[in-house]
Amino acid sequence: QSALTQPRSVSGSPGQSVTISCTGTSSDVGGYNYVSWYQQHPGKAPKLMIHDVSKRPSGVPDRFSGSKSGNTASLTVSGLQAEDEADYYCCSYAGSYTWVFGGGTKLTVL
Amino acid sequence: EVQLVQSGAEVKKPGESLKISCKGSGYSFTSYWIGWVRQMPGKGLEWMGIIYPGDSDTRYSPSFQGQVTISADKSISTAYLQWGSLKASDTAMYYCARLSGSGGNFLDYWGQGTLVTVSS
Repeated sequence: QSALTQPRSVSGSPGQSVTISCTGTSSDVGGYNYVSWYQQHPGKAPKLMIHDVSKRPSGVPDRFSGSKSGNTASLTVSGLQAEDEADYYCCSYAGSYTWVFGGGTKLTVL
Repeated sequence: EVQLVQSGAEVKKPGESLKISCKGSGYSFTSYWIGWVRQMPGKGLEWMGIIYPGDSDTRYSPSFQGQVTISADKSISTAYLQWGSLKASDTAMYYCARLSGSGGNFLDYWGQGTLVTVSS
């Protein structure tokens, strides 16, 4: 069970949009609409940002959106703000009560 | 308010045993799976396994099967992660989190993490 593939880093200027990809296989990302995204600031616990591919929990700004096409899921952050600078992890159900995380992406706000 | 409160940091020697805890409050502890996630220093998140406190049904990631034991005591709303013989490579931050959603497929509330350091 290999980790999902994410870019190591992405960056953007305040106000711009960035997209983080998360590539898996037909056994995980492609097989289920159970992709979630987590934001982690240094020294903090992860925070749920998106679940079920594109649903935002209460309290998460609508600048954060999720989508999926085939075996690749994506997280888009629009109108970048300084506080969005963090590590982002995707996660997918992989069947048989197992889940797999992506390797993580460091988002830098320039 | 849903809360998961984990036990404090631990410093252990190789070969020692350890059990860390995760106490839930503010919701029906027996109705949600609890997951454990490892984060090694400077690295990403890794799914370790889950437990359903209602009946202690436990599922492990293949990578962690046989390496750790996950348990729960529903009478005190607490889940546990334990090692029988620690290795230096077990040094990491360990998080517990509640598994939510229909069928339980995302982690909506997280504990603050327990840092485990294994060093001779």
